[in-house]
Amino acid sequence: QVQLQQWGAGLLKPSETLSLTCAVYGASFSNYYWSWIRQPPGKGLEWIGEINHTGSTNYNPSLKSRVTISVDTSKNQFSLRLTSVNAADTSVYYCARANRLLDSWGQGTLVTVSS
Amino acid sequence: AIRMTQSASSFSASIGDRVTISCRASQGISSSLAWFQQKPGKAPNLLIYAASTLHGGVPSRFSGSGSGTDFTLTISFLQSEDLATYYCQQYYDYPWTFGQGTKVEIK
Repeated sequence: QVQLQQWGAGLLKPSETLSLTCAVYGASFSNYYWSWIRQPPGKGLEWIGEINHTGSTNYNPSLKSRVTISVDTSKNQFSLRLTSVNAADTSVYYCARANRLLDSWGQGTLVTVSS
Repeated sequence: AIRMTQSASSFSASIGDRVTISCRASQGISSSLAWFQQKPGKAPNLLIYAASTLHGGVPSRFSGSGSGTDFTLTISFLQSEDLATYYCQQYYDYPWTFGQGTKVEIK
């Protein structure tokens, strides 16, 4: 059974760079895309983007200028970088397995942006 | 981007009720529609994909219908553990987009 375990810094100052990593266990890394999704406190879900094992990416245009998703196939891990964060980026960030379907999710990481 | 609109942000229902949640897409998305359940403090959980196909392990009291622009999630016999927020999501075209969520509360 696939498991996704994520980690990263939970408190950032405005203008800093958000960095999160998600490790995948129990699944063939090369058969899927791997996504990031975020959820502001008390609000809905926003898809950020995805990557596959070759490094092919798809991004949400609303964040594309600030987002980079990368992959390390040797570790079955993928990562999210979001530059120049501000208070509006305060959210729970989730990683998820995607083959069009977001069928397995990480536990979520709350990232707070505050001066 | 395709806009997904859920008809209600929240409502209350009683145990045993039949509950229907609606979702509308701003353009046709064929059957490329998923439903998620999210309980407080937890990650979303996939319930239904392809508009009407139940994901593995999901109780049969959940069902989905619709195609094109209008979709429905039905809980045939509401249980206390169904207290949650439900989201629709289209995967017809990038960027994937979600409805704003419908919170189901138990009377």
